[in-house]
Amino acid sequence: DAGVTQSPTHLIKTRGQHVTLRCSPISGHKSVSWYQQVLGQGPQFIFQYYEKEERGRGNFPDRFSARQFPNYSSELNVNALLLGDSALYLCASSSVGQGPYEQYFGPGTRLTVT
Amino acid sequence: RKEVEQDPGPFNVPEGATVAFNCTYSNSASQSFFWYRQDCRKEPKLLMSVYSSGNEDGRFTAQLNRASQYISLLIRDSKLSDSATYLCVVNAGNQFYFGTGTSLTVIP
Repeated sequence: DAGVTQSPTHLIKTRGQHVTLRCSPISGHKSVSWYQQVLGQGPQFIFQYYEKEERGRGNFPDRFSARQFPNYSSELNVNALLLGDSALYLCASSSVGQGPYEQYFGPGTRLTVT
Repeated sequence: RKEVEQDPGPFNVPEGATVAFNCTYSNSASQSFFWYRQDCRKEPKLLMSVYSSGNEDGRFTAQLNRASQYISLLIRDSKLSDSATYLCVVNAGNQFYFGTGTSLTVIP
């Protein structure tokens, strides 16, 4: 079975632009979570979606938004990019959306904002 | 105060050594606990879940102390391939909280 896939793998944007990152979960998984990882830090939680509904939101500004589609794939959108948004954006999928569960990560999208 | 705290290391150990990593968490309502491994410029990969009774997977042993809000990972007979960053992860509600990671280098 294919694992979690993300696109694009790398992206370079300039300040003020908008970006859309995409994620496809493991087949059969209904939950997708998004994380931001800056160099030297652990991943920081941005959003969780389960069955197309937002189930959790981390401490990120409203410039960050996401959605989940009927096929359980997901998009993360970031508006008005800042230099500080440069990071590895990770998508994780899981089979359930609450209670103890394990998450599996995609390879990430490395975003550079100049 | 951070949700999850880890000693960032680095830990440099010879092949065959035993090494232990520790992690503390602040939310007493945390429900589940994990160790992930992350290689340089790669995504985190699940190493093992951590259960209250402690659990072992080959050379790896994980322990959880809910009273002290403390998680540990023990690696025995270290291999060169164990070199990576080890992330302590705590699940509370719908959020997963990651530590900053502990860097391990196993030296020949």
